[in-house]
Amino acid sequence: QSALTQPASVSGSLGQSITISCTIISSEIGNFNLVSWYQQHPTKAPKVVIYEGSKRPSGVSNRFSGSQSGDTASLTISGLQADDEADYHCCSFVRGWVFGGGTKLTVL
Amino acid sequence: EVQLLESGGGLVQPGGSLRLSCAASGFTFSTFAMSWVRQTPGEGLEWVSAVSSSGGNTYYADSVKGRFTISRDSSKSTLYLQMNSLRAEDTAVYYCAREEKVNGWTTRFDLWGQGTLVAVSS
Repeated sequence: QSALTQPASVSGSLGQSITISCTIISSEIGNFNLVSWYQQHPTKAPKVVIYEGSKRPSGVSNRFSGSQSGDTASLTISGLQADDEADYHCCSFVRGWVFGGGTKLTVL
Repeated sequence: EVQLLESGGGLVQPGGSLRLSCAASGFTFSTFAMSWVRQTPGEGLEWVSAVSSSGGNTYYADSVKGRFTISRDSSKSTLYLQMNSLRAEDTAVYYCAREEKVNGWTTRFDLWGQGTLVAVSS
């Protein structure tokens, strides 16, 4: 069981906004920092879309935003587009690098 | 072009060994820490191992400690993962990834290879 928990799936319609959560188990909360988020299309390598909780790498759309409060980090994608359909993985340092189980985003 | 290219994957029997390579190009390899991350088919990502930019410090996930060895050759701009005593649960796509550090802390894996498949089966 990962120290980071994500919903298995989320869905949203074209143009809408969705939020994916990433929750750390309570015993590890003191290490919950440097959260990053990765987008992964089928058969492709992951690509970072958010790092240090809320920073966006150059070239990533400003429709992607990140936030963190207490034991939960969140990735929000606004103005959903068809190409946003992918798996999204959160990541943090918890006695070693740990990834969440991944969330499949379906764009309706 | 800035890229990472893995090789060395394949089918191996339980208990066997395999060495993965990751060739870096388009950037100064010796200035970046590097990691291996694997993904079981249809499952999430799992960090496996990391090595500092100098190669002097190495780190391992508990699941591979004592069986896998990470190393790097900056003269060849290549990262390696020697995998021994392989188990069925090591079956996965293995990615190498570049670490971007700020003030000594890795803030993201900012460049990934395309992955190489390792299948452990009799």
